Amino acid sequence: KQEVTQIPAALSVPEGENLVLNCSFTDSAIYNLQWFRQDPGKGLTSLLLIQSSQREQTSGRLNASLDKSSGRSTLYIAASQPGDSATYLCAVRLEGQNFVFGPGTRLSVLP
Amino acid sequence: EAGVVQSPRYKIIEKKQPVAFWCNPISGHNTLYWYLQNLGQGPELLIRYENEEAVDDSQLPKDRFSAERLKGVDSTLKIQPAELGDSAVYLCASSYRRSSYNEQFFGPGTRLTVL
Repeated sequence: KQEVTQIPAALSVPEGENLVLNCSFTDSAIYNLQWFRQDPGKGLTSLLLIQSSQREQTSGRLNASLDKSSGRSTLYIAASQPGDSATYLCAVRLEGQNFVFGPGTRLSVLP
Repeated sequence: EAGVVQSPRYKIIEKKQPVAFWCNPISGHNTLYWYLQNLGQGPELLIRYENEEAVDDSQLPKDRFSAERLKGVDSTLKIQPAELGDSAVYLCASSYRRSSYNEQFFGPGTRLTVL
């Protein structure tokens, strides 16, 4: 059974800092991996999706990488802003199966 | 283009009462998911539809939960009777199965409180 963990559970950084969020999964035969952000009381907003054949995806200040052999993905946020404060979740999918979500990392960017 | 629509946004009921949630996916999306999210945790899948067929309902507590997607578009999730432990956020998501990406898009969720 696929298990997904995210470390740290919470992170607080000053504005402008670059930061990395981690996602680990137990079964490396993944089909794709998707990163989301969730604001308090809201649904999930898709940030990036990486296919198993890809090593990274970029969108603006966000860069997600995938290392299947080590069972890890990282989300890099450049020049963090207070508006980046949210919970970030990763979800991993094996082929033909459903997404399995991690518990999320709660990010606070302090002005 | 409208995103995934869910209603109601909030619901407070007494235990043992029935409750229903409605979801309208993004137009053209043939896959629809219902998730349950407890505080501080990631979403957990309850049921997945491909068009009108429930292809994975293994995590749906069928003694009290039911779902339908009669015309392969919008969907309803029902709980009857509700228990205190059902208090959570119920999220609906959709994706386009034939896309090579299967990217999921989520609605805002329904926050259920059972008293």
